[in-house]
Amino acid sequence: QQQVKQSPQSLIVQKGGISIINCAYENTAFDYFPWYQQFPGKGPALLIAIRPDVSEKKEGRFTISFNKSAKQFSLHIMDSQPGDSATYFCAAAYSGAGSYQLTFGKGTKLSVIP
Amino acid sequence: KAGVTQTPRYLIKTRGQQVTLSCSPISGHRSVSWYQQTPGQGLQFLFEYFSETQRNKGNFPGRFSGRQFSNSRSEMNVSTLELGDSALYLCASMFRGQTDTQYFGPGTRLTVL
Repeated sequence: QQQVKQSPQSLIVQKGGISIINCAYENTAFDYFPWYQQFPGKGPALLIAIRPDVSEKKEGRFTISFNKSAKQFSLHIMDSQPGDSATYFCAAAYSGAGSYQLTFGKGTKLSVIP
Repeated sequence: KAGVTQTPRYLIKTRGQQVTLSCSPISGHRSVSWYQQTPGQGLQFLFEYFSETQRNKGNFPGRFSGRQFSNSRSEMNVSTLELGDSALYLCASMFRGQTDTQYFGPGTRLTVL
């Protein structure tokens, strides 16, 4: 059972464009939604995270939009650069049970072309 | 601050063998989680340890086990290796305070022949 669905699987964006990756979750108990960036040969690195009490969070060129009623959240990368080419994972966690298990989406491979 | 370190970085084993992977968390972090990453299944949670106690376990067979030491370092063990166990095994550490941020290590690439 896939609890976090991520789309698209791959994305090609021109330099300077906006990259948009979408995720949907099923478990309404999730209360923490991070996005990770992974380069080949490296572990995932936290980009930005949001909690359900806010609808948007911006950090530099990265913005998370969160729609609690639709159970959806998305990552927007403004002014995309070739250095942003990586695989992006959305995730969700429920901290209430005393454990911080991350449930990941399948990932989106982003290619930013010059 | 040094990041999460994992050893070894690469490992080749044959079916039926067992393997032990090691993870040293960021200094001060007492929570260590393990994840398996494969092209087909993506990133899947294996287990989390906090203060030497397993707090949660993912949907993996009993061949996958782990432990945590008093210095927060953690090991995971896979016994009777199968071809399907070939994967990148990632360790993540967390402070477990007000933030839920998990910091990942570079992973151990396990190949089972």
